[in-house]
Amino acid sequence: AQSVTQLDSQVPVFEEAPVELRCNYSSSVSVYLFWYVQYPNQGLQLLLKYLSGSTLVESINGFEAEFNKSQTSFHLRKPSVHISDTAEYFCAVPGVYNQGGKLIFGQGTELSVKP
Amino acid sequence: EPEVTQTPSHQVTQMGQEVILRCVPISNHLYFYWYRQILGQKVEFLVSFYNNEISEKSEIFDDQFSVERPDGSNFTLKIRSTKLEDSAMYFCASSVGFSTGDTQYFGPGTRLTVL
Repeated sequence: AQSVTQLDSQVPVFEEAPVELRCNYSSSVSVYLFWYVQYPNQGLQLLLKYLSGSTLVESINGFEAEFNKSQTSFHLRKPSVHISDTAEYFCAVPGVYNQGGKLIFGQGTELSVKP
Repeated sequence: EPEVTQTPSHQVTQMGQEVILRCVPISNHLYFYWYRQILGQKVEFLVSFYNNEISEKSEIFDDQFSVERPDGSNFTLKIRSTKLEDSAMYFCASSVGFSTGDTQYFGPGTRLTVL
């Protein structure tokens, strides 16, 4: 069965520092991976996704994630964070491949950026 | 930009009462979902819906739950007799297609409090 584990429940960092939010997945089939972000009092928004091709995927606001098959990881990184990046970040995988439907989410990582 | 909307933002109810949570998916989307997040826990899939039928449901989605698309715009989740453990944030989502790579767009959520 597909599953994801987010290793850190909370990550406090100072503004302009680099950050890495960790996600490991478990899957016996081809892998698609997603990162969603939830800003305070808002719904989940897709940040980026890996479907195939280049293992490095980027978002429009400077985040990137690298699919690493050997380490079964899809860690999210940003070289310099802003106060506005404060949010909860969720890693997710599809429940069933080639069929769509449900997403299986990790526990979430709360990123807190301090001035 | 089109978005998924949900009403109400917060619902307080007494145990045993029926509640209906409402969602307006993005207008050209055909696939609809409900997820929930109990405080401090993962976002969990409840049900997916297409062409006026349930496509998939989780074990959480028992006989107390039902979904409906009563008209061309609304998508509702009904909990027939609420329990204390139904207290959670409920998210509606929609997508254009049902393939694994299709992005699910989430609403801001309804916080349900059962007293």
